[in-house]
Amino acid sequence: AQSVTQLGSHVSVSEGALVLLRCNYSSSVPPYLFWYVQYPNQGLQLLLKYTSAATLVKGINGFEAEFKKSETSFHLTKPSAHMSDAAEYFCAVSDRTDSSYKLIFGSGTRLLVRP
Amino acid sequence: EPEVTQTPSHQVTQMGQEVILRCVPISNHLYFYWYRQILGQKVEFLVSFYNNEISEKSEIFDDQFSVERPDGSNFTLKIRSTKLEDSAMYFCASSYSEGDTQYFGPGTRLTVL
Repeated sequence: AQSVTQLGSHVSVSEGALVLLRCNYSSSVPPYLFWYVQYPNQGLQLLLKYTSAATLVKGINGFEAEFKKSETSFHLTKPSAHMSDAAEYFCAVSDRTDSSYKLIFGSGTRLLVRP
Repeated sequence: EPEVTQTPSHQVTQMGQEVILRCVPISNHLYFYWYRQILGQKVEFLVSFYNNEISEKSEIFDDQFSVERPDGSNFTLKIRSTKLEDSAMYFCASSYSEGDTQYFGPGTRLTVL
């Protein structure tokens, strides 16, 4: 069965510092992987997705993620944090084993950005 | 830019009452989903819907839950007799095709007293 693990329920960085949010997945088939962001009192917004093309995926707001099959990881990075990046970030894998394509989410990581 | 909308944003109900959560998916999308997030827990899949029928449902989606696309634009989730443990944020999502990006609505926060 597919699963997603996000290390660190909270990550705190200074404005301008590197952002690294970790995601490891378990999948019996080549995965489709996603990062979603949730700002306070809003829905889930897609940041970026990996669907078996380029392993380095660029998303919105300067975020990118690299698919590493050998490490079963899909970590999210941004070179320089901005105050507006403060939000909760969810990694998800698409369950394609039975053609349902439902998303399986990690527990989320809340990013705090210090001035 | 097209978006998924959900109403109401917050619903408070008494235990045992029926609630209907409403969603308007993106207009040319064909696949519809409901997820929920209990406070402090993961976002969990409830049900997927395509071609006017359920394509998959989770263990959570028992006989108390039902979904419907009554008029070609709305997609509803009904809980027949709410329990305290149904209190959660409910998200609707839609996609154009299988495996395509799922676009989420802002959610409905359901509080069961």
